[in-house]
Amino acid sequence: EVQLVESGGGLVQPGGSLRLSCAASGFSFSSYWMTWFRQAPGKGLEWVANIKQDGSEKYYVDSVEGRFTISRDNAKNSLFLQMNSLKADDTAMYYCAREVNDFWSGRMFDYWGQGTLVTVSS
Amino acid sequence: DIQMTQSPSSLSASVGDRVTITCRASQNIINYLNWYQQKPGKTPKLLISAASSLQNGVPSRFSGSGSGTDFTLSISGLQPEDFATYYCQQSYSSPRFTFGPGTRVDIK
Repeated sequence: EVQLVESGGGLVQPGGSLRLSCAASGFSFSSYWMTWFRQAPGKGLEWVANIKQDGSEKYYVDSVEGRFTISRDNAKNSLFLQMNSLKADDTAMYYCAREVNDFWSGRMFDYWGQGTLVTVSS
Repeated sequence: DIQMTQSPSSLSASVGDRVTITCRASQNIINYLNWYQQKPGKTPKLLISAASSLQNGVPSRFSGSGSGTDFTLSISGLQPEDFATYYCQQSYSSPRFTFGPGTRVDIK
């Protein structure tokens, strides 16, 4: 059974840092792109960042470029999101998800974690 | 950047109704369009990929159509468990992605 379990969220002051983790199990982690999403309270879904299987390619939404860093440890089946210079607008539930690339259907997200809440407030 | 819009933003419907949600892309995305369902307090669930391909285990009352810039998600015979928020998501610009703002389906 595929499982994704996020951790590391919490309350942080503006300008502070947090490191989120996502522990993966039940599939060959090193074979998949992995992605972070977020959802502000009462708002919609936003793609944040993703990373290629071997970590050689990383992409970010403009609003976090230069502040957030996505990484992975395939030996430990883990995905990370280092978040620096946090702003109130970064307050959200953060989800990790597995990205599937199908030749005919394109790319989609088939498994999601339960999320970890990040609150940026003084 | 490709912008996604959805209409309506919310709707009220009764069990058994047919519901249609529209998603529009700001440019041609061919059929690189996925639909997700999210229930309150839960994680999103992939329903449909490539505009019209139903995922395994998703009831056949869900269907998707469209290409280019205009897409629809239909639910025929709305069930109590279908009350949720539905999001479209484009993958044409992958490895970057954008979602529509969501359509909330409430009980009338």
